[in-house]
Amino acid sequence: AQTVTQSQPEMSVQEAETVTLSCTYDTSESDYYLFWYKQPPSRQMILVIRQEAYKQQNATENRFSVNFQKAAKSFSLKISDSQLGDAAMYFCASCSANAGGTSYGKLTFGQGTILTVHP
Amino acid sequence: NAGVTQTPKFRILKIGQSMTLQCAQDMNHNYMYWYRQDPGMGLKLIYYSVGAGITDKGEVPNGYNVSRSTTEDFPLRLELAAPSQTSVYFCASSSRVGNTEAFFGQGTRLTVV
Repeated sequence: AQTVTQSQPEMSVQEAETVTLSCTYDTSESDYYLFWYKQPPSRQMILVIRQEAYKQQNATENRFSVNFQKAAKSFSLKISDSQLGDAAMYFCASCSANAGGTSYGKLTFGQGTILTVHP
Repeated sequence: NAGVTQTPKFRILKIGQSMTLQCAQDMNHNYMYWYRQDPGMGLKLIYYSVGAGITDKGEVPNGYNVSRSTTEDFPLRLELAAPSQTSVYFCASSSRVGNTEAFFGQGTRLTVV
């Protein structure tokens, strides 16, 4: 079984500044994927970034990057040059990469972090 | 391209009533999922399907049923609605495990009174 923990219920940042959202996870799988999803007030779930556990290089998508610490089972999201449109709930999630097992792409989510961006 | 379409977007049910939440995807994805999101919480898996005719329970299946007669459709049935089922329900689909993005519908907000 996988567990995902987000210890920051709420975070805030000034526009144009940088913020880091924390996530820790636990899994018995040898290979897995990690994700950050954004949920704005519209409720739509939007994939922000994903990381394949076997890759040592941290994933980057424009202003979004991750700090993946496999040994520590930590997966934080850094948002640079924060914009008002970044305000949302952010979810960390994990998924086993074992297609031959019982994963089938099932996501395990953390509790979420509400990000507020101040102008 | 519509992606994942859920209907209805909102619904109020009385205790003991039944209803079906509809979900359809037009991306020919094999895998489909139903999640629920309680207020201030993350999503939890209710049921999933790996193809037409194949479904299995997730973390919180009690009080729900599903069927998958076609690749496109994956309805979620609530029998004898209870206040504990008040939640936002999301349907999602993906083409294969992990690396492929899971596409989500816009959710159904269900209130049981």
